[in-house]
Amino acid sequence: GQNIDQPTEMTATEGAIVQINCTYQTSGFNGLFWYQQHAGEAPTFLSYNVLDGLEEKGRFSSFLSRSKGYSYLLLKELQMKDSASYLCAVERNAGNMLTFGGGTRLMVKP
Amino acid sequence: DAGITQSPRHKVTETGTPVTLRCHQTENHRYMYWYRQDPGHGLRLIHYSYGVKDTDKGEVSDGYSVSRSKTEDFLLTLESATSSQTSVYFCAISAELAGGEQYFGPGTRLTVT
Repeated sequence: GQNIDQPTEMTATEGAIVQINCTYQTSGFNGLFWYQQHAGEAPTFLSYNVLDGLEEKGRFSSFLSRSKGYSYLLLKELQMKDSASYLCAVERNAGNMLTFGGGTRLMVKP
Repeated sequence: DAGITQSPRHKVTETGTPVTLRCHQTENHRYMYWYRQDPGHGLRLIHYSYGVKDTDKGEVSDGYSVSRSKTEDFLLTLESATSSQTSVYFCAISAELAGGEQYFGPGTRLTVT
C-alpha cells in the first residue's frame, strides 16, 4: 500500500519562513512532486525531486531524502499570495503515476 | 499556460443519469489523466491515457470509463451517476512519462443529487 502524510493546516506570518513536511511509504518510488493550489483553482507545478538533496528555485526550495521517505517544501519571505494548499505527490514506477497526499493548507497572516 | 480546457465547468445531475466530462488540449501532449478531488482525500487518479486508444485504470476507477479517440480529447464518463461521485474533476496532461510536470485543467464541479 501507499501512505503519504502531510500536515492539514499551517499558519505563518508574512515575511517569515515556513517548512511543509511530507512523509511517504510506497513501493516503486521514482520521484516526488510539489504542487501549489489556490482555493478554487487548478494545481500548478512547483518542484520535482528525484535525487536526495535540496533543489532551490527562487523563494521556494524542496528537499528529498529517499532513505527516510521524507521531503519538505521550504517557502522563504512569505507573501500573502502564498496562502494556498501545497500538495505533495509521489511518482511511482517511472510511469508518471502520481499519488497525492491530502495537501497542507497554508495561511499567511500579516 | 498549457492549453487545456474542461467542459462543462459546472454540472448538476440526478442519480442514475449518464454524464460525460470532456478534456481538450492544444499542446499535443501524449499523456492525459483524470483525477477527482474531495475534502480529506486530496487528488486521486481515476484513469489515465498513454496515447490514442491506450487507457488504463487508476486507483478509483469503479463507476467510471474513459475514451481517447484523438490526441487532443480525453473523455470521462459516469455511466450511472451516484451521489458519491459528487466531486471536483481535474484533467491533466504531460509531455513526459517519468518526471514529467503535469499541467492541470481548470476543473469541473459535478454535483449528483
